[in-house]
Amino acid sequence: EVQLVQSGGGLVQPGGSLRLSCAASGFSFSDYYMDWVRQAPGKGLEWVGRSRNKDHSYATEYAASVDGRCTISRDESKNSLYLQMSSLKSEDTAVYYCTRVRGGVVTALDSWGQGTLVTVSS
Amino acid sequence: QSVLTQPPSVSAAPGQKVTISCSGSISNIGNNYISWYQQLPGTAPKLLIFENNKRPSGIPDRFSGSKSGTSATLDITGLQTGDEADYYCGTRDTSLSIVFGGGTKLTVL
Repeated sequence: EVQLVQSGGGLVQPGGSLRLSCAASGFSFSDYYMDWVRQAPGKGLEWVGRSRNKDHSYATEYAASVDGRCTISRDESKNSLYLQMSSLKSEDTAVYYCTRVRGGVVTALDSWGQGTLVTVSS
Repeated sequence: QSVLTQPPSVSAAPGQKVTISCSGSISNIGNNYISWYQQLPGTAPKLLIFENNKRPSGIPDRFSGSKSGTSATLDITGLQTGDEADYYCGTRDTSLSIVFGGGTKLTVL
């Protein structure tokens, strides 16, 4: 069974930093693209960024709204995905989801973590 | 403002059929597969449809999708109260990996 278990998150002051983690199990982690998606309170889904698979050197890409402030990384030994966020703003307040991109279908996110809330406030 | 346009809400009675639309452009829906997601209250989204009209295992055939040009639709037949949720369309865009619609809240009257 595919599982994505997230940790991290919480309250952080504007300008602060935070790292979210996502532990993957039930599939070959290195073979899959992985995305982060966020959802502001009462709002819709917003794509944050992507880590491609090992065959593509784990290359990353980011949404314009977070580019330069977010870094996505992986630890193969721990089957874990990370989202490092810095220079946080109030508009970054959201539930952040770790997702798996369906193999061979780069437009479909077929597994989602439980989500973790990040609140940026003084 | 979302890249893809969905109606904010739709409603129908139990047992009826509802259609949710998703409109985009040549840079997204027009040249890419569309996916649909269901988000039940207080839960993470779940993939309902991928590659325009395919269902992951476990998704009932009451849910179906289609695409034409720069628009797509999600049909739900035999509506159940448990289908009350927010529904999102998503696809690739030339400028971003993934873009979503603003979401449609389905109410089963």
